[in-house]
Amino acid sequence: DIQMTQSPSSLSASVGDRVNITCRASQGISRWLAWYQEKPEKAPKSLIYAASSLRSGVPSRFSGSGSGTDFTLTISSLQPEDFATYYCQQYEDYPYTFGQGTKVEMK
Amino acid sequence: QVQLQESGPGPVKPLETLSLTCAVSGFSISRGYSWDWIRQPPGKGLEWIGRISHSGSTYYNPSLKSRVTMSVDWTENEIYLKLSSVTAADTAVYYCARDPEGAFDYWGRGTLVTVSA
Repeated sequence: DIQMTQSPSSLSASVGDRVNITCRASQGISRWLAWYQEKPEKAPKSLIYAASSLRSGVPSRFSGSGSGTDFTLTISSLQPEDFATYYCQQYEDYPYTFGQGTKVEMK
Repeated sequence: QVQLQESGPGPVKPLETLSLTCAVSGFSISRGYSWDWIRQPPGKGLEWIGRISHSGSTYYNPSLKSRVTMSVDWTENEIYLKLSSVTAADTAVYYCARDPEGAFDYWGRGTLVTVSA
């Protein structure tokens, strides 16, 4: 299985901060990477697919970059509604696998 | 608006079979796409269980393959998950999601399944 490692596992930030979350794959996955936002009691939300393509309706402060084994999710200016847990997921090969998550908390 | 809603019978006893339904609205599953099940044990990360295409072909996570069955009902617009011989390790929130090409675009809110005697 392809292992996905996210860092950090958690971070504290303030509204307006720029936040970077990284995701590393144990082998090359080209650009077959997605990012999701998870909040308690809500359906996970798709943010980005194909490493950098923004889902319709997702604010432009979210962006994704990378290819091969190293990827980054960036929130350019953190908003109150962005405090959540974020997961990366590879879909280059079966079984699909996820990172362990990054919890973004209020400082 | 595409919406997915998971449902199940509630607690399951060890060694029984867990059965879940994912009701899809706003999109006819016969039109295309694949449909996946993902789970999240309490306090842990996400685990992909498997996928079923609109035509009924399946691919399961090898770690669960011997116990998993997925199916679809095009008339009811529902997707089903069965997981046999459950143990406490199968306690989790179970999600269904729409899968255009491997990156899930719509998810349900999930349903908690507790395995307990």
